Amino acid sequence: GNSVTQMEGPVTLSEEAFLTINCTYTATGYPSLFWYVQYPGEGLQLLLKATKADDKGSNKGFEATYRKETTSFHLEKGSVQVSDSAVYFCALSESGNQFYFGTGTSLTVIP
Amino acid sequence: DTAVSQTPKYLVTQMGNDKSIKCEQNLGHDTMYWYKQDSKKFLKIMFSYNNKELIINETVPNRFSPKSPDKAHLNLHINSLELGDSAVYFCASSQDRGTSRDTQYFGPGTRLTVL
Repeated sequence: GNSVTQMEGPVTLSEEAFLTINCTYTATGYPSLFWYVQYPGEGLQLLLKATKADDKGSNKGFEATYRKETTSFHLEKGSVQVSDSAVYFCALSESGNQFYFGTGTSLTVIP
Repeated sequence: DTAVSQTPKYLVTQMGNDKSIKCEQNLGHDTMYWYKQDSKKFLKIMFSYNNKELIINETVPNRFSPKSPDKAHLNLHINSLELGDSAVYFCASSQDRGTSRDTQYFGPGTRLTVL
């Protein structure tokens, strides 16, 4: 079956540090992969996505590359800001409209 | 110009009561969803409707009943509320069915507290 595994948090970083949040997936076919972000007290927002192998999604300085050989979609940012503090969810969609979400990784960036 | 809206934002009620949460999307999407997010931020899909037809119904107590009067609305009715129902409930929508490339758009959430 389909599933998403992402690194457990919480993650605490100093401002301008490098961020990596690991995400690996299991799928029977060729899924699309997503990163969603949830700021405190808000709903989830799409951060970036990739629809096929070797695609790179990017937005707001965040990047993730769809790696079919390692079944991974790790989220990276070169220099985090306090405003990046949020919960990040990795997700996949393969058939129909069902999404499979990871458990979320809480990020806190301190000044 | 809210894309996916939910009401109410907060709901506090007693055990045993019946309550409803409403969701509306103005994106013209065909598919709508309900998710439950627990205190550890774990997100679990509950239901999915496509053009008013139920297409996903995860293992959810039958006290939860979704209703879709039209494709822009998906309401969630909960009977005989229990303490364990306390959570944040998110509505979402996406375009089309049968493609793996849909992006889901989420509402702001309804925080339900059962006392």
